Amino acid sequence: GAVVSQHPSWVICKSGTSVKIECRSLDFQATTMFWYRQFPKQSLMLMATSNEGSKATYEQGVEKDKFLINHASLTLSTLTVTSAHPEDSSFYICSASSGQENTDTQYFGPGTRLTVL
Amino acid sequence: DAKTTQPTSMDCAEGRAANLPCNHSTISGNEYVYWYRQIHSQGPQYIIHGLKNNETNEMASLIITEDRKSSTLILPHATLRDTAVYYCIVMTGANNLFFGTGTRLTVIP
Repeated sequence: GAVVSQHPSWVICKSGTSVKIECRSLDFQATTMFWYRQFPKQSLMLMATSNEGSKATYEQGVEKDKFLINHASLTLSTLTVTSAHPEDSSFYICSASSGQENTDTQYFGPGTRLTVL
Repeated sequence: DAKTTQPTSMDCAEGRAANLPCNHSTISGNEYVYWYRQIHSQGPQYIIHGLKNNETNEMASLIITEDRKSSTLILPHATLRDTAVYYCIVMTGANNLFFGTGTRLTVIP
C-alpha cells in the first residue's frame, strides 16, 4: 500500500516553455500533497504544500506564479513549471499523506528529472 | 521542529547488521522520529517511525532512548540494495519534513 506515482519520470524542454508534472496516490486518498526539489548533491527542499480543493502554501523563496500547483482531487496533484529556464533544471519529487494517522506519514513518488535546455 | 545530527557516512559488510545513529537532543514531547532513505536518483522511501517505544517492521527496527534524545535505526541483515542515504527526521504532523544531509550507508560485499 501507500504507492505514489509521478509522470513523466524525466522531461527535456526548451527554455521558455512550460512543463506539467503529475503526482498520483494510487491506493489511498491524499488529503495533503507536497512538492520538493532536489539539486545535484543536495538534499530535498520543500517547495509547497497543497490540500485538496484549496490553494497551495509555498515556502519562502518559491515563486507561486512560476510553480503552479493544482490539487483538484484526492488522488492527483500537478506542478506546472512555467516559462522554464536552465536554472529550473532539477529533480522534482512529490509526496502524499492521507491525514488519517496521527503522524501523517508522507509517501514519496519516484521523482521527475527536468532538464531545461 | 527539532534538528538532528547524523554521521556523514558509514560502511557495513553485507549480511551484517547496520546500526545508524541519530541525535535529536532538542526533541519535544509530541515530535515523532522518522526514518527515510533515498537510493540514488529515486524518491525517498519511508522506513519506520516512532514516538517513545521501540518499533519494528519488515524493513528495520527503531530503538529510541528513554530520554528520546537519540535513536538508532537497525537494518538486521544489510544487503547491497540497502546502499542509500538515510535520513533521520523529527516532526510534528505532516508539514515539516526537513531533510538534512543524512548518512550515506555503503554496504560492502
